[in-house]
Amino acid sequence: DGGITQSPKYLFRKEGQNVTLSCEQNLNHDAMYWYRQDPGQGLRLIYYSQIVNDFQKGDIAEGYSVSREKKESFPLTVTSAQKNPTAFYLCASSIQILNQPQHFGDGTRLSIL
Amino acid sequence: AQSVTQLDSQVPVFEEAPVELRCNYSSSVSVYLFWYVQYPNQGLQLLLKYLSGSTLVKGINGFEAEFNKSQTSFHLRKPSVHISDTAEYFCAVTSGVIQGAQKLVFGQGTRLTINP
Repeated sequence: DGGITQSPKYLFRKEGQNVTLSCEQNLNHDAMYWYRQDPGQGLRLIYYSQIVNDFQKGDIAEGYSVSREKKESFPLTVTSAQKNPTAFYLCASSIQILNQPQHFGDGTRLSIL
Repeated sequence: AQSVTQLDSQVPVFEEAPVELRCNYSSSVSVYLFWYVQYPNQGLQLLLKYLSGSTLVKGINGFEAEFNKSQTSFHLRKPSVHISDTAEYFCAVTSGVIQGAQKLVFGQGTRLTINP
């Protein structure tokens, strides 16, 4: 079955450390997205990419970086500049038609040691 | 700018009772509307979507939603809930594509708790 795979499911970061969250999709979708979820705040867009080798900042990009070297993969790095990284991170993808829904992975929960 | 307001952060309901989760949006242009469900420690799953046409939309798991353009609302309903409906529900709206990607704006979520 096609879908989105996020790994790891749980991740711990030490102070001053960069960590990378993996997102892989086999839906043949062009667009991919990263969201951050905090209790009571819904989902906020971190970065998005509409095509390989191109990506754009979302609403809360500071302290994060991404790459899009392959259509299937869109890893997110949480850098040491992100001072409050504890959250649930969700990756999504969609085809490039406005009225089609986004498909989501099962998320990665990041905590600080 | 678009915004979505889910009017209730928590909704407790007894099993087999009806439920309505309220969602209002603001947008100056035509919109597409979605409801997603999130079970604990999982991603979001699409419940239903409104694109055009009939204002009453049926989704999975017995849920339905009604689009009301004059009231800018998209409330989610189920006539009889089950324990397994306990989850968080998100309303989302989109009306624009930003550089080839879909711009979705989410509400803050409503936690639905079903009590036996």
